[in-house]
Amino acid sequence: QKEVEQDPGPLSVPEGAIVSLNCTYSNSAFQYFMWYRQYSRKGPELLMYTYSSGNKEDGRFTAQVDKSSKYISLFIRDSQPSDSATYLCAMTSFTGGGNKLTFGTGTQLKVEL
Amino acid sequence: GAVVSQHPSRVICKSGTSVKIECRSLDFQATTMFWYRQFPKQSLMLMATSNEGSKATYEQGVEKDKFLINHASLTLSTLTVTSAHPEDSSFYICSAATGGLNEKLFFGSGTQLSVL
Repeated sequence: QKEVEQDPGPLSVPEGAIVSLNCTYSNSAFQYFMWYRQYSRKGPELLMYTYSSGNKEDGRFTAQVDKSSKYISLFIRDSQPSDSATYLCAMTSFTGGGNKLTFGTGTQLKVEL
Repeated sequence: GAVVSQHPSRVICKSGTSVKIECRSLDFQATTMFWYRQFPKQSLMLMATSNEGSKATYEQGVEKDKFLINHASLTLSTLTVTSAHPEDSSFYICSAATGGLNEKLFFGSGTQLSVL
């Protein structure tokens, strides 16, 4: 079993839809959670960074963490064609000292006109 | 967010030659940098962890003599693919850690290596 599970998709939605992206994990030591967006042949871009359980909102993006269920989500409101990319969840057990992240496989999202 | 610059973005080389890829943190000092490899439609595969002033730590299965990593300063790490072969063709990405509490990891834009 992988430490982090993420549905690879592809996920296709119409413009304006609410998108829900999810990851589950098995390591209860994970405390810090991130979502990255990666366009084709580009480096990942940090979208959201969360620590505690609950919701964190930034513009059209909301990150949700449920540590009791070992489940994290990223919601995208009013999705746009420019949101079409691969979304990677990542997590780590501690920060400082350059602790390496464990990544999900990424979910490919396509927002259609 | 912080900026990590990676060069070159694309390189084509002949089999047997060596290729150097640079990764720079532009607006912060990065004690730790990471090098990844990514195949099409797959996630990032960590190759090695690079700490300033010390030897890199390689992941299992990664040949340290083939993928030379140097982290000579707090803002620069380099990856040299020595005696490259077609099977080394891939997308290589570096990242730099900001350090401290709530440490974040920022990525370079990646280097597409094609070995002929």
